[in-house]
Amino acid sequence: EPEVTQTPSHQVTQMGQEVILRCVPISNHLYFYWYRQILGQKVEFLVSFYNNEISEKSEIFDDQFSVERPDGSNFTLKIRSTKLEDSAMYFCASSYTENTEAFFGQGTRLTVV
Amino acid sequence: TQLLEQSPQFLSIQEGENLTVYCNSSSVFSSLQWYRQEPGEGPVLLVTVVTGGEVKKLKRLTFQFGDARKDSSLHITAAQPGDTGLYLCAGSYNFNKFYFGSGTKLNVKP
Repeated sequence: EPEVTQTPSHQVTQMGQEVILRCVPISNHLYFYWYRQILGQKVEFLVSFYNNEISEKSEIFDDQFSVERPDGSNFTLKIRSTKLEDSAMYFCASSYTENTEAFFGQGTRLTVV
Repeated sequence: TQLLEQSPQFLSIQEGENLTVYCNSSSVFSSLQWYRQEPGEGPVLLVTVVTGGEVKKLKRLTFQFGDARKDSSLHITAAQPGDTGLYLCAGSYNFNKFYFGSGTKLNVKP
């Protein structure tokens, strides 16, 4: 069964460093998303992406964050200068159209020390 | 702002019992999804409901979307230890962005 895959599964980084989280969405999907979940808290929307541009973003998604689809298969989330409060599980999701449900990856646990 | 409230937060029951968990909002959603999440993993989609009053069944799980599309329930019949997990509801206005509830943590004891 097709699935969304994310790498790495766990990343530890120093505060102030840049990180890139990678996702391979389901192959025929056209809409891509990033969500995050701080330990013990709700899953929160960060950004949605379609046709090589951001379609919607939350107030969490500030200038420190960026997304890119560098090739036909990968979808990345970059955090330029990580802060301690960026520590969370980051989930990538994809959907076929804007009117269908999203399928989530297994997540990347980001720990900022 | 709590868009989606889930209740109860925690539920511990014996194998074989029935249970219902609720997802309530003051907002009207275009669709509502139920997910199950295991510790350290991503949410796994169980069902999507889009029509007010809609009822969907998935084996022992029954999902209902309220007539006004503001609330939903998940009923599990004859719960099994394998049903243990965190059940999340997520509402969407346009499928472009989902608002998640805090979840109901279910523990089914053998």
